[in-house]
Amino acid sequence: KAGVTQTPRYLIKTRGQQVTLSCSPISGHRSVSWYQQTPGQGLQFLFEYFSETQRNKGNFPGRFSGRQFSNSRSEMNVSTLELGDSALYLCASSGGDRGETQYFGPGTRLLVL
Amino acid sequence: GEDVEQSLFLSVREGDSSVINCTYTDSSSTYLYWYKQEPGAGLQLLTYIFSNMDMKQDQRLTVLLNKKDKHLSLRIADTQTGDSAIYFCAETPRDDKIIFGKGTRLHILP
Repeated sequence: KAGVTQTPRYLIKTRGQQVTLSCSPISGHRSVSWYQQTPGQGLQFLFEYFSETQRNKGNFPGRFSGRQFSNSRSEMNVSTLELGDSALYLCASSGGDRGETQYFGPGTRLLVL
Repeated sequence: GEDVEQSLFLSVREGDSSVINCTYTDSSSTYLYWYKQEPGAGLQLLTYIFSNMDMKQDQRLTVLLNKKDKHLSLRIADTQTGDSAIYFCAETPRDDKIIFGKGTRLHILP
């Protein structure tokens, strides 16, 4: 099976812009979770989507949003980018059952200038 | 505490055993995980343990779980240069989000 894929791998934006990141889960997986990784805060949970519905949400401002499509692919959007949004954004997929193991993609590295 | 705690750095000689420790927060966590992250890469699941187990062994990896103290450890036997990475401990508390520690950077000395 192909693993979790994320596009793009690298992105440079300027403050105030918006960005959309994409994640394709492992075939058959219905749950997609997003994480932000920074040197200072480590890995922080953004949100989880399951069957096109947001099932869990972390403590991030409303500028961070996501969605999931019927084929389980997911996108996350960050509007009005701030310098502090520079991070590695990781996507993980799982079958969807509670507590099931998550498999991570390689991440999208976002740099906000 | 409210955070999953790990020491930030560990230095080990090649061929020795590495032991990475973690203290988690929620005694009801069903699954506890160890992930490995190499430079420029995402997280790779190394192993996990169910909360009703005390130990799990998988080739060079041994996971020990002390539920009373909420302590998890990962032992890597015969540490190799390819083991150089950041290791993350993670738990799944009752609200089903996965909570990660800040990671332990394992450095291998020749």
